[in-house]
Amino acid sequence: GEDVEQSLFLSVREGDSSVINCTYTDSSSTYLYWYKQEPGAGLQLLTYIFSNMDMKQDQRLTVLLNKKDKHLSLRIADTQTGDSAIYFCAEVFSGNTGKLIFGQGTTLQVKP
Amino acid sequence: NAGVTQTPKFRILKIGQSMTLQCTQDMNHNYMYWYRQDPGMGLKLIYYSVGAGITDKGEVPNGYNVSRSTTEDFPLRLELAAPSQTSVYFCASSLTGPNEQFFGPGTRLTVL
Repeated sequence: GEDVEQSLFLSVREGDSSVINCTYTDSSSTYLYWYKQEPGAGLQLLTYIFSNMDMKQDQRLTVLLNKKDKHLSLRIADTQTGDSAIYFCAEVFSGNTGKLIFGQGTTLQVKP
Repeated sequence: NAGVTQTPKFRILKIGQSMTLQCTQDMNHNYMYWYRQDPGMGLKLIYYSVGAGITDKGEVPNGYNVSRSTTEDFPLRLELAAPSQTSVYFCASSLTGPNEQFFGPGTRLTVL
């Protein structure tokens, strides 16, 4: 069945780069998303990538997609303490309905 | 725009009680979704709707019901609360299927 896997925890120092990894199973997914969840809040879309792209850059964020290996990564450059949150990757299970399959989330801890 | 609003923010139920979680969006979005988030887990889709009068089951629909009589509102009903339904519930909406989903702040439900 469809499944999205992420590592659960990442700790970095302020100013370092963070790389959060994700693997997915549905090769027909058209969109892959990264959402951010701050404590006690709902999810907020950070960025997304179309399946026909290999890379997308948006300010401090870089998304890399390896379709052959079904591997998605999110790189945050110059990580700040305000980046501390849970990051979820998600794949579109069904394009018409927008149903998303989420990973378990990666908790990013940024130490000053 | 208020975006997606959910009420209540917190609720404690006794086993066997029933309640309705409210969700309203003011963005004129066609698609609406209910997710639950268990500790340390990603979001699981409970029910979704692609328009007023149309609803369908997600991954974990058992024990829940929904209705969509208007574009704005998508209430989630728990008929006989069970401890397994202790979770954080998120409502989301999107303009169409593949578009960004906007999330509400969540309802934290405890069933004792």
